[in-house]
Amino acid sequence: DTAVSQTPKYLVTQMGNDKSIKCEQNLGHDTMYWYKQDSKKFLKIMFSYNNKELIINETVPNRFSPKSPDKAHLNLHINSLELGDSAVYFCASSQERWSGELFFGEGSRLTVL
Amino acid sequence: GQNIDQPTEMTATEGAIVQINCTYQTSGFNGLFWYQQHAGEAPTFLSYNVLDGLEEKGRFSSFLSRSKGYSYLLLKELQMKDSASYLCAAPTDGAAGNKLTFGGGTRVLVKP
Repeated sequence: DTAVSQTPKYLVTQMGNDKSIKCEQNLGHDTMYWYKQDSKKFLKIMFSYNNKELIINETVPNRFSPKSPDKAHLNLHINSLELGDSAVYFCASSQERWSGELFFGEGSRLTVL
Repeated sequence: GQNIDQPTEMTATEGAIVQINCTYQTSGFNGLFWYQQHAGEAPTFLSYNVLDGLEEKGRFSSFLSRSKGYSYLLLKELQMKDSASYLCAAPTDGAAGNKLTFGGGTRVLVKP
């Protein structure tokens, strides 16, 4: 059973399009995250939700909109995709908001052409 | 803010020992984490240090010196499967939760 699963694993799309990535965790964790890993392999936090409430929102363009329908799900919608959005997007969860032990999904590789 | 530095790449031989250093500057200290990431895969948690000293977990150990802002990950009896990137990370307390800031990762290549 996959603990943190995200779909799709690969996304190839044209500039200007809108795309979504979905994430689900079956660990019963309270907190979920979106991280972006760029071509230089730096992992940077984008958003964090705790029990469906947005608690961390880094300096991310407002073309990126997260949504958490319940504490087991966190989706990421991206509008008007740009070339610089190409990256691997990782979903993660932790037992509670102060925990640094994160459980990551397998990543969604987004390529914008 | 956070600043985390670690070497970009290291090469070692199967069966040997490798030490990956990490220096950090943080506005507050809430522990130091190490993650392993194989190419094309998700990062996985390895260790957490909040007090000075060495934490041992099988072939992997992690050391912390808070006064020096320094940590290292020690990999013993290297195996080919240990070829991966090793990420040092430190959390910053936000108003509502921890934010983990990751270093750029150290790519370890284990050769036969």
